[in-house]
Amino acid sequence: GEDVEQSLFLSVREGDSSVINCTYTDSSSTYLYWYKQEPGAGLQLLTYIFSNMDMKQDQRLTVLLNKKDKHLSLRIADTQTGDSAIYFCAESRVTGGGNKLTFGTGTQLKVEL
Amino acid sequence: SQTIHQWPATLVQPVGSPLSLECTVEGTSNPNLYWYRQAAGRGLQLLFYSVGIGQISSEVPQNLSASRPQDRQFILSSKKLLLSDSGFYLCAWSHADTQYFGPGTRLTVL
Repeated sequence: GEDVEQSLFLSVREGDSSVINCTYTDSSSTYLYWYKQEPGAGLQLLTYIFSNMDMKQDQRLTVLLNKKDKHLSLRIADTQTGDSAIYFCAESRVTGGGNKLTFGTGTQLKVEL
Repeated sequence: SQTIHQWPATLVQPVGSPLSLECTVEGTSNPNLYWYRQAAGRGLQLLFYSVGIGQISSEVPQNLSASRPQDRQFILSSKKLLLSDSGFYLCAWSHADTQYFGPGTRLTVL
């Protein structure tokens, strides 16, 4: 089955690191994604990781994937107020209808001064 | 570069009225196209996807329909809106493994 879970809220202080966690159930996922959604806006792709990788780093973002435990995390270093948003993880399956994504419920990150 | 547009940005409609939301993609050809709805509770639900002109797959039974009259145009429609159709509608496109989202349409049904 397909189920992606995230905690609903995370609050951090500006300058600290944020870690947003996600668990998924579909072991056949090919890619896993992190999207960012600011209020009233669409989803912005932040980064993604192929399922045979353990880690991917892109500037302030670090993605860790534990495929055995089906656990994905997004670490944001030196969190800024502009990072306040909802963060969605998503897993993908390639089907006859293209690449279908299953999204988590999103984690609302609040950055405090 | 590729861009995706959605129109309108916001819409307020009475119950029972028709609906037409438009999504267009520029800078690419033969994309896969998707319609999602995001309810107030935040999760995204896939409504429809299309792999080509005239090819529509529905994920969940509902009061809505979709059409793809042109390669880069995807339309979400309803003949009679329900209160439960309120939400934030997102269109997305993909070529291979990654989906890119439009800015969304906020629909309020009163």
